[in-house]
Amino acid sequence: DAGVTQSPTHLIKTRGQQVTLRCSPKSGHDTVSWYQQALGQGPQFIFQYYEEEERQRGNFPDRFSGHQFPNYSSELNVNALLLGDSALYLCASRGLVNEQYFGPGTRLTVT
Amino acid sequence: GIQVEQSPPDLILQEGANSTLRCNFSDSVNNLQWFHQNPWGQLINLFYIPSGTKQNGRLSATTVATERYSLLYISSSQTTDSGVYFCAVDDGGATNKLIFGTGTLLAVQP
Repeated sequence: DAGVTQSPTHLIKTRGQQVTLRCSPKSGHDTVSWYQQALGQGPQFIFQYYEEEERQRGNFPDRFSGHQFPNYSSELNVNALLLGDSALYLCASRGLVNEQYFGPGTRLTVT
Repeated sequence: GIQVEQSPPDLILQEGANSTLRCNFSDSVNNLQWFHQNPWGQLINLFYIPSGTKQNGRLSATTVATERYSLLYISSSQTTDSGVYFCAVDDGGATNKLIFGTGTLLAVQP
């Protein structure tokens, strides 16, 4: 049973560029959430996708957008990258009793 | 919103020692999880424990929901236990988003 997977593992981008991160949930899970973890801090909720729709958004600007596909996988897109977007981006899928399982993360560096 | 505080912020142990990590939260919650974040960033599920006590090997956890705290016990610590331990609570909304504490950085020395 595969866990949550994310790609790529590392990414380096330049300010102003756009980036797309990908996530596949655990088998049987249909809900995907994205979190941003800055260095030295706990993860912060970005948004959640269920039935291909965004259900809730945390305190993040519209530069952050997402998508969920019919197979429940998800993408996180960030436009007009800023230096402050450098972080570990984590994807989580939700289990039967609402417990969350996290992927290995994508480490984004913006230069 | 719900506030989550963890203590201590840092902890250094000798291999074989025991430790207790604490998580306080400011409001009633539906879900509480403990995670271990390894040096590569992976968040590993330790416990889903909205209330009561659970044990898994050398680790155990207790949540007293009525008093709004949870404890994580690590016994006979090993160097592989090093990393950051996070407590996270469900905000009770429709999406069950997690609100994380500030973490406890644990270093186990040989």
